[in-house]
Amino acid sequence: QVQLVESGGGVVQPGGSLRLSCAASGLIFSMFGMHWIRHAPGKGLEWVAFIRYDGSKKYYTDSVKGRFTISRDNSKNTLYLEMNSLRAEDTAVYYCAKEPGDGYNVDSWGLGTLVTVS
Amino acid sequence: QSALTQEASVSGTVGQKVTLSCTGNSNNIGSYAVGWYQHISHSAPKTVMFGDSLPSGIPDRFSGSKSGTTASLTISGLQPEDEADYYCSTWDYSLSGQIFGGGTKLTVL
Repeated sequence: QVQLVESGGGVVQPGGSLRLSCAASGLIFSMFGMHWIRHAPGKGLEWVAFIRYDGSKKYYTDSVKGRFTISRDNSKNTLYLEMNSLRAEDTAVYYCAKEPGDGYNVDSWGLGTLVTVS
Repeated sequence: QSALTQEASVSGTVGQKVTLSCTGNSNNIGSYAVGWYQHISHSAPKTVMFGDSLPSGIPDRFSGSKSGTTASLTISGLQPEDEADYYCSTWDYSLSGQIFGGGTKLTVL
C-alpha cells in the first residue's frame, strides 16, 4: 500500500523559506512522477509542480516559477519542495501526490503539511 | 479563473444518480485522460477516477466518461458519504502543466 508522508511545514514570515519533504513507501518510487498540489483556505485545489520519475523534467505553475524548486532523491524515496521568497498567498496545505503511470494524473495522495506565511 | 470549468454546486437525494461535468479544450481534455478527486475539508483528497480506471477501494457506483473536450463523473446510487467537493484535472499541453477545475460542491439531500 502506497504511503506518502509530508513534513517540513510551519509558520514563516513573508520573504522567508521552507523546505518540504515527502517520504514515500509501498511503491517503487523511482518509477513514478510526483506532484506537489496545494489547497489554500477557502479556495480550490491548485497544482504546484511536477517532476518526472527520473528527475529529468520539472514543471511549475506560473505563480511559483523562480521561487519554488521541486526535486527528488530516488535513493531515499523522498520528494522535496524548496520554497523561497514566500508570500501570504502561498499559505496552504501542501500535498505530495503520485502519478499512476500515465505521466500526469494522480492516484495516491499524502496527508498534507500546512504552510502558513504570516 | 480555472482552465477547466465545473458546476459550482450539484445536489441529489440518496439513491439518485448525479453527473458532474468538466469542460476544457483541445489542449487539455481533448488530448489527455482526466482525473477526478474527492475532497472533504480537513482531510486528504482521494482519487475516485483517473482515465477509465477506478482506483482500488472506490465503489463501482463511480464512473467516468469523456466526449471531445468535456469529461463527466457519474455517481449512481448517491450515498450520504459522497457529499464532498469534487475536482477534475488533467495535463494542459499549451501550459505545460497540470490544471484543475474550480471544483463542484456535491450536496446529498
